[in-house]
Amino acid sequence: DAKTTQPPSMDCAEGRAANLPCNHSTISGNEYVYWYRQIHSQGPQYIIHGLKNNETNEMASLIITEDRKSSTLILPHATLRDTAVYYCIASGSARQLTFGSGTQLTVLP
Amino acid sequence: GAVVSQHPSWVICKSGTSVKIECRSLDFQATTMFWYRQFPKQSLMLMATSNEGSKATYEQGVEKDKFLINHASLTLSTLTVTSAHPEDSSFYICSARASGTSGANEQFFGPGTRLTVL
Repeated sequence: DAKTTQPPSMDCAEGRAANLPCNHSTISGNEYVYWYRQIHSQGPQYIIHGLKNNETNEMASLIITEDRKSSTLILPHATLRDTAVYYCIASGSARQLTFGSGTQLTVLP
Repeated sequence: GAVVSQHPSWVICKSGTSVKIECRSLDFQATTMFWYRQFPKQSLMLMATSNEGSKATYEQGVEKDKFLINHASLTLSTLTVTSAHPEDSSFYICSARASGTSGANEQFFGPGTRLTVL
């Protein structure tokens, strides 16, 4: 898996958009970008993944730069329940996921 | 979305005993399941990859004779911690990989099992 770099922590006001960056400058052509989050003492929750194009689902949007060296996860209207550690992972389709240290997002009331 | 369950959600045992943790994919078939371990304030560390009907592949430093993995069906994998010791106390999490039409293979995680060895 390509190495990913994320800020260790971020704050966001409730109701505002949370934009979580991830750098994956060594990503290879067949590696997807996955985002998971982990709320304290729970298993990780799948959020979204993408290869080249921007993706959107009911939880979030994923913006991948044209050169694929970085991406941004967007939670459009953050709530207190979105407080969690967010993991960005670059991985090929047949490989296991390697978790880094992630970003602790704290949504403030 | 795909649902993965784990049982038990927590367990306390005496040192020297064995503990079995079950991981089930409830609404999809999983040819591959993964077992992770997470210590306090640390990230998830992959322990082993489990393929249905074959032997598990263990990560470096993980003792295969201590952490027995069985993946007997497409919906069930078990992890048995044999002769558990206090240093095995951790949060054990399984995941199951679902194949999507996009070619990506996102994993879906269980809720985790908190093991405390006294």
